[in-house]
Amino acid sequence: AQSVTQLDSHVSVSEGTPVLLRCNYSSSYSPSLFWYVQHPNKGLQLLLKYTSAATLVKGINGFEAEFKKSETSFHLTKPSAHMSDAAEYFCVVSDQNQKVTFGIGTKLQVIP
Amino acid sequence: DARVTQTPRHKVTEMGQEVTMRCQPILGHNTVFWYRQTMMQGLELLAYFRNRAPLDDSGMPKDRFSAEMPDATLATLKIQPSEPRDSAVYFCASGLVTGGVTDTQYFGPGTRLTVL
Repeated sequence: AQSVTQLDSHVSVSEGTPVLLRCNYSSSYSPSLFWYVQHPNKGLQLLLKYTSAATLVKGINGFEAEFKKSETSFHLTKPSAHMSDAAEYFCVVSDQNQKVTFGIGTKLQVIP
Repeated sequence: DARVTQTPRHKVTEMGQEVTMRCQPILGHNTVFWYRQTMMQGLELLAYFRNRAPLDDSGMPKDRFSAEMPDATLATLKIQPSEPRDSAVYFCASGLVTGGVTDTQYFGPGTRLTVL
């Protein structure tokens, strides 16, 4: 069975400080992993994806994520938070069984 | 810049009425997804299609919901009859499956449905 666990439903950081959004996955196959961002009243947008190439993946807006197979993790990071980063972030796993599973989402609050 | 389009963007209707939501996927994409998002349940997958054929609609209440792809440029999600608990934002997404793996999903802006 495939699953995604986003460990924090809410994360609050001060502007200019690092961001860490945690994601653990479970998959019977070699998965593809994605992070999507949803700004208020908007659709979801791809931030970055891992598809069995480099384990450190860089995305848009300065975000990156590292695939760690031994820890079954795909945590999302950014060195310095900006006010515009306030949004909801979804971790997603997809495998060769053609199943796609979304995490419950993490709401990021950025404090000025 | 290719995008997924959804119509209508907003819909207010009364309980018992039929609601039809439409989605135009990105040209060339072979997979279409329908999601529902609410504060209580978060993002739920309702159904998805591959090459216009329904692959999985287990997330959809069968008694009132139906999803179809009459052609490659149009996907529809219908609710009949609608109920207040159907109030949500409905997202359509399209993507390309190659080698059995679903790649990036491109989301539409959503249809915000309110059933009174």
